[in-house]
Order: sequence, then structure tokens, then C-alpha cells
Amino acid sequence: AQTVTQSQPEMSVQEAETVTLSCTYDTSESNYYLFWYKQPPSRQMILVIRQEAYKQQNATENRFSVNFQKAAKSFSLKISDSQLGDTAMYFCALDVRDDKIIFGKGTRLHILP
Amino acid sequence: EAQVTQNPRYLITVTGKKLTVTCSQNMNHEYMSWYRQDPGLGLRQIYYSMNVEVTDKGDVPEGYKVSRKEKRNFPLILESPSPNQTSLYFCASSWGLASTSTDTQYFGPGTRLTVL
Repeated sequence: AQTVTQSQPEMSVQEAETVTLSCTYDTSESNYYLFWYKQPPSRQMILVIRQEAYKQQNATENRFSVNFQKAAKSFSLKISDSQLGDTAMYFCALDVRDDKIIFGKGTRLHILP
Repeated sequence: EAQVTQNPRYLITVTGKKLTVTCSQNMNHEYMSWYRQDPGLGLRQIYYSMNVEVTDKGDVPEGYKVSRKEKRNFPLILESPSPNQTSLYFCASSWGLASTSTDTQYFGPGTRLTVL
């Protein structure tokens, strides 16, 4: 069975600092996708970053980057120069290509002024 | 076990044939929501409901209807499905729109819909 674990239920950092959100997963598949979603209080789901398992290079999107360790089944999200607008719930998700996506429980991130 | 269930998990249908995807949660959550997942676009919210008889449009409501007659159920209705509604659909529930609590959102397993 596939699982996604986010071990940090809640985090707080000062504005402009760098923060890393952790995510570990488990799957027996060799080809899959990993996502980080941002969910503000409105409950929209905003795709932050996407990683394909067969690509060794870590994905980056502006201030957001991931550290993808396939052997360790780890997929952490780094937010550099954090901003107040980054305050949200962040979900890690695993897409194993069998029409099922598994979400972690989420990490609530507070960016403090 | 706390969970969100969706049925069916897989559905292939034809253009114009009305269908309903059911969603049920057993956690007494007030807030429920429907999303669709499309490649490259991520999750997009279709409709959400703050409580019984209270529903509102999300980002992509066109072509969909919902109802919330009971707290636990939030069905998604496609009155006249079209091929551009082929997607992976997720139902989710939570206590509410809390912005300061550690509340999380629980997702259903997803429904793969193909409209021919």
C-alpha cells in the first residue's frame, strides 16, 4: 500500500527565513509523481511544485525547491526568502499512476512578520 | 475509521448521459469540497459546502451541480457530461475554513471519470 507521511503538523518561521517541510512516502512502484500543494484558508489547492520520479534533478519553481531522495523515499519542500503570503497548509501527494493520488495529512506553516 | 468515501472509483460514460458521483464522510465535518485533478493543472476546486444546504462555487463550477441535504453526503452531479470533464475527481472534508487551527482536510480516494 502507498503511504505519504508529513511528520510536522505545524511550523512557524520569521519572514525572509528559509523553511523546509518534510515528506516521506512509500510505494513499490518505480515510476510515479510527487506533488506539493499549498492550501490557503480559502481551501483552494494550489500546485506548488511537481517532481517526476524518473528525473534525478530536483524540481524548482522560483523560491520553492525540493530535495528528492528516491532511495530514501523522501521529498522535502524548501521555501527560501519566506513571505507572509506563504502562510498556508501544505500537502505532499503521491501519484502512482493507477488513478489514485495519496495525500499526506498536511503541514500548517505560519510565516511571522 | 475516519474516512471519506467516493463511488464509483472508475466510470466510463458517454456525452450527455447524466451521472452522479457520491461522496460521504463519517467525521461529522461541516466543510466538504470537490476538486478535479488534471495533468499539469493540479487540483482545481469545483464546488464547496460550508454546511447543510449551503453550497458555493469554486474555481471551475461550469457543468457541475452539487447538493448538501445531509451533513455527511455531498454528491457531484454532471447533468450532461462532456469529454472535457474527463478527469480525476476528489472529494474532501474538514471541520471548516479555520485559518489558525491545525485542522486538516481529508481526501477521498478519487474517481476516474472518462466521458466519450
